[in-house]
Amino acid sequence: DQQVKQNSPSLSVQEGRISILNCDYTNSMFDYFLWYKKYPAEGPTFLISISSIKDKNEDGRFTVFLNKSAKHLSLHIVPSQPGDSAVYFCAANTETSGSRLTFGEGTQLTVNP
Amino acid sequence: ETGVTQSPTHLIKTRGQQVTLRCSSQSGHNTVSWYQQALGQGPQFIFQYYREEENGRGNFPPRFSGLQFPNYSSELNVNALELDDSALYLCASSHDRRVNTEAFFGQGTRLTVV
Repeated sequence: DQQVKQNSPSLSVQEGRISILNCDYTNSMFDYFLWYKKYPAEGPTFLISISSIKDKNEDGRFTVFLNKSAKHLSLHIVPSQPGDSAVYFCAANTETSGSRLTFGEGTQLTVNP
Repeated sequence: ETGVTQSPTHLIKTRGQQVTLRCSSQSGHNTVSWYQQALGQGPQFIFQYYREEENGRGNFPPRFSGLQFPNYSSELNVNALELDDSALYLCASSHDRRVNTEAFFGQGTRLTVV
């Protein structure tokens, strides 16, 4: 049972344009949603999160949008930079699961100069 | 302040063998979680330790076991290795086990079972 799904394995965008990464979930009990970025040969690093009581959170070039009725969230990167090229994981957890994370499959973002 | 470090970075084992992977938590962190990331998949939660006690387990068989030590470092042990155990094993530490606590990941151990 894949509770968090990222249906796009890869995304390619031009430098300076917007990158939109999508994530869907099935568990309505999720309380927090997080995005992690992973470079090859490194562990995932935290990027941005959003509480289930909010619909938007912004941090510099990164904005996460949450649509609870659709059980969908997205990460917007504006403007995209070549250094943003990495695998992006969507993750979620609940108050009862604490810091244990349920991850999606990941999306490989490539930003072309 | 040192980050999360895992050892070894790579290893190759034969089916049926046993393996121990190690994780050194970030300073001040009392919670460690282990994840298995198969090729092309997202990390899957194996188990979590909080102050040396197991604090939740994912859908993994009992041959996956762990320990957390008084200094909060941790081990993942896998017995009777199977070919499907080949994966990247990630350790993550956090200063608390609550839901909005950031988890810091190590670089992972790439295990290949032949």
